[in-house]
Amino acid sequence: QQPVQSPQAVILREGEDAVINCSSSKALYSVHWYRQKHGEAPVFLMILLKGGEQKGHEKISASFNEKKQQSSLYLTASQLSYSGTYFCGTEKLGGGADGLTFGKGTHLIIQP
Amino acid sequence: NAGVTQTPKFRVLKTGQSMTLLCAQDMNHEYMYWYRQDPGMGLRLIHYSVGEGTTAKGEVPDGYNVSRLKKQNFLLGLESAAPSQTSVYFCASSPTPGGAQETQYFGPGTRLLVL
Repeated sequence: QQPVQSPQAVILREGEDAVINCSSSKALYSVHWYRQKHGEAPVFLMILLKGGEQKGHEKISASFNEKKQQSSLYLTASQLSYSGTYFCGTEKLGGGADGLTFGKGTHLIIQP
Repeated sequence: NAGVTQTPKFRVLKTGQSMTLLCAQDMNHEYMYWYRQDPGMGLRLIHYSVGEGTTAKGEVPDGYNVSRLKKQNFLLGLESAAPSQTSVYFCASSPTPGGAQETQYFGPGTRLLVL
């Protein structure tokens, strides 16, 4: 079952902040975040493991609440280059060779 | 390293025609995956492979077949194309099935239009 991402789309002005959420009905082992530009392949951003992990990547960071089976991606002081579609991919607890299950994506548009 | 490559990049088929999409990776990864991406649907797993000579069904396998005769290559076949198979197809590979240390690496995609 696909994780649920929210919001579906968000429009920001350059310099504003955004939060993208990813929620699963299954117990999770890890959450992977990707960004995809139009017409390109998804590009890996970061992995979060169970245990309340938080990570940062320049002005993009994320958290993982294993009890709630939720992850959030934080984009601060957004730049034009942050525009794209963000996907979370989840790995369920207990694993499985089929790897990740992806959400439907969140479209992020940054305006000057 | 080229990473993950896909051929062709774009193809137009008529209903009922067949074709094979090729995915190649030079990272010596054990796991390989085929996804399709449709507007508003995200990435959905078609088939995957956990090693040379193995394949397994994913979420949306109907109408597709796959083969992994060599570790570095993963082929996706459409025996009789249908308009519902119009999509963007992504191949991905990973050294592990997911999780702790490694993620999946994606190819550039193949855009398929079935008329």
